[in-house]
Amino acid sequence: AQSVAQPEDQVNVAEGNPLTVKCTYSVSGNPYLFWYVQYPNRGLQFLLKYITGDNLVKGSYGFEAEFNKSQTSFHLKKPSALVSDSALYFCAVREAGNNRKLIWGLGTSLAVNP
Amino acid sequence: GAGVSQSPRYKVAKRGQDVALRCDPISGHVSLFWYQQALGQGPEFLTYFQNEAQLDKSGLPSDRFFAERPEGSVSTLKIQRTQQEDSAVYLCASSLTTGANVLTFGAGSRLTVL
Repeated sequence: AQSVAQPEDQVNVAEGNPLTVKCTYSVSGNPYLFWYVQYPNRGLQFLLKYITGDNLVKGSYGFEAEFNKSQTSFHLKKPSALVSDSALYFCAVREAGNNRKLIWGLGTSLAVNP
Repeated sequence: GAGVSQSPRYKVAKRGQDVALRCDPISGHVSLFWYQQALGQGPEFLTYFQNEAQLDKSGLPSDRFFAERPEGSVSTLKIQRTQQEDSAVYLCASSLTTGANVLTFGAGSRLTVL
């Protein structure tokens, strides 16, 4: 069965420090991987995706993610966190053989402390 | 409009009532998705439209749930005879291309069934 795991419910980081939000996946075939961010009372916003090519993907707001096939991971990273990055982050994988469905993780709440 | 608009933002229904949730996608977007997001969970796929065609309704939890997009733009998700377990945030997303790729989400409609 295809699945996405975000092992941390919450991540706390000091402003200016690097941040990592973890995601591992299980999918047959080549994965299509996504990160979205959800701010309070706002819709989910697309951050970045990996389809193929370079394992390091750069996205919006200075975020990047590294695809690691051997570890089946797609961790989200940012070199220097901002207080405004505090939000709920979701990792998602597109279901193999069905390009209509995204399978989502449970989300990780990121708190960046001033 | 500039984004995906959902209405109402909040709906309280008595158990057994019918509700209708509306989604105005970005003009010209081919794909439209409905998701259900329970508290503390990731979004769960409900249904997918490509223009006016409902190509996948495998995520609809029961025959009380019905969705339509008759002219390939505005979509309505209808829930008949609401139950308490239907309480959730219902998210609508649209995409310029077919399939689940870069999705633009609305802010969601929060349904509370008493």
